[in-house]
Amino acid sequence: QKEVEQDPGPLSVPEGAIVSLNCTYSNSAFQYFMWYRQYSRKGPELLMYTYSSGNKEDGRFTAQVDKSSKYISLFIRDSQPSDSATYLCAPPITGGYNKLIFGAGTRLAVHP
Amino acid sequence: EAQVTQNPRYLITVTGKKLTVTCSQNMNHEYMSWYRQDPGLGLRQIYYSMNVEVTDKGDVPEGYKVSRKEKRNFPLILESPSPNQTSLYFCASSYNRDGGIGYTFGSGTRLTVV
Repeated sequence: QKEVEQDPGPLSVPEGAIVSLNCTYSNSAFQYFMWYRQYSRKGPELLMYTYSSGNKEDGRFTAQVDKSSKYISLFIRDSQPSDSATYLCAPPITGGYNKLIFGAGTRLAVHP
Repeated sequence: EAQVTQNPRYLITVTGKKLTVTCSQNMNHEYMSWYRQDPGLGLRQIYYSMNVEVTDKGDVPEGYKVSRKEKRNFPLILESPSPNQTSLYFCASSYNRDGGIGYTFGSGTRLTVV
């Protein structure tokens, strides 16, 4: 079993839709969680992070963590064509290994 | 502008011909890592470095070497490339030893080994 799993998509939605991107993980030791966004032919960039269970909101984006079920979600409200990208969830391994455990990513396409 | 610069962006080479992918950061970060990205597998760490002359293996180090002689540079060396090393490679640097929050990625190097 992979440590972090995501549905690869592609997920295609109309502009203005609410998007839900999901991620499951198996390692209970993960202490905080990142969402990265990767545009085509670019490196990943940090979108949001959260330390604990519950919700964290940043503009149109909301990250949600449920540690009891090992489930992470990213919601995008009022989606825009510029949100078209691959979204990667990535909990880091603590202990000084400078390492993130990436999911394979979900490809999102928002069409006008 | 704070950035991680990788070169080259695209490279096609033949099996066995040694190559180096360069990585340089201008943020004075102590920590640097190399990842490879393959379809369906996500990004996997190859090597990381905690500071000058301090490096260690990640999850997929076989066939790769790194060096960290200066804080800003962290080249990835493939002594004898093979077709299974065809991939998209990313260098990243961070001020945080666990990575993550402070990670800045380069734009990637697409390597094809024929």
